[in-house]
Amino acid sequence: EAQVTQNPRYLITVTGKKLTVTCSQNMNHEYMSWYRQDPGLGLRQIYYSMNVEVTDKGDVPEGYKVSRKEKRNFPLILESPSPNQTSLYFCASSLGTGSYNEQFFGPGTRLTVL
Amino acid sequence: DAKTTQPNSMESNEEEPVHLPCNHSTISGTDYIHWYRQLPSQGPEYVIHGLTSNVNNRMASLAIAEDRKSSTLILHRATLRDAAVYYCILRFGLDDKIIFGKGTRLHILP
Repeated sequence: EAQVTQNPRYLITVTGKKLTVTCSQNMNHEYMSWYRQDPGLGLRQIYYSMNVEVTDKGDVPEGYKVSRKEKRNFPLILESPSPNQTSLYFCASSLGTGSYNEQFFGPGTRLTVL
Repeated sequence: DAKTTQPNSMESNEEEPVHLPCNHSTISGTDYIHWYRQLPSQGPEYVIHGLTSNVNNRMASLAIAEDRKSSTLILHRATLRDAAVYYCILRFGLDDKIIFGKGTRLHILP
């Protein structure tokens, strides 16, 4: 089944403790992206990647890192999480970078930083 | 800056058509109009997209105004399962940033 998977689905952590949220897709998609969703603010793009070793900032990249060493994986790294990074995170992928491509979203990771 | 404007919420009766409007007055010639929806406790899912012509698929229809400054997502026969937040998004070619607006929360009445 074609899908985007994220792990973990739920995570509670403490301020400053480094964490990684994994994202993997099995559709051989070139484009991958991370979003966060907050009440009243909607979905905001954090980082995106147009291909292996190519990443770029979205609208809210501060406090996050990403890497794209292989096509299928696009982990989101929080080096020193803070409470304002408590949010619902979604990973997405699409076949290519063209603006006509549909995005496939993962199920979400709910992160709480205490 | 979402570049699209949608009503905050709408209501419709089950088994009736629903027309969800979106204004995008600053659209440029290369912008595609995408619609996604987000069911409760799920990630967004693709609904439909178009450039200039009206589009149909198994989920919905997309009607695009001739000047492309607005569009309407049409659900032909709403079911309770269609209750979701619907996002109208412009995707612009060279810059793959994607900006979601607040969307329209659609309530379906049984």
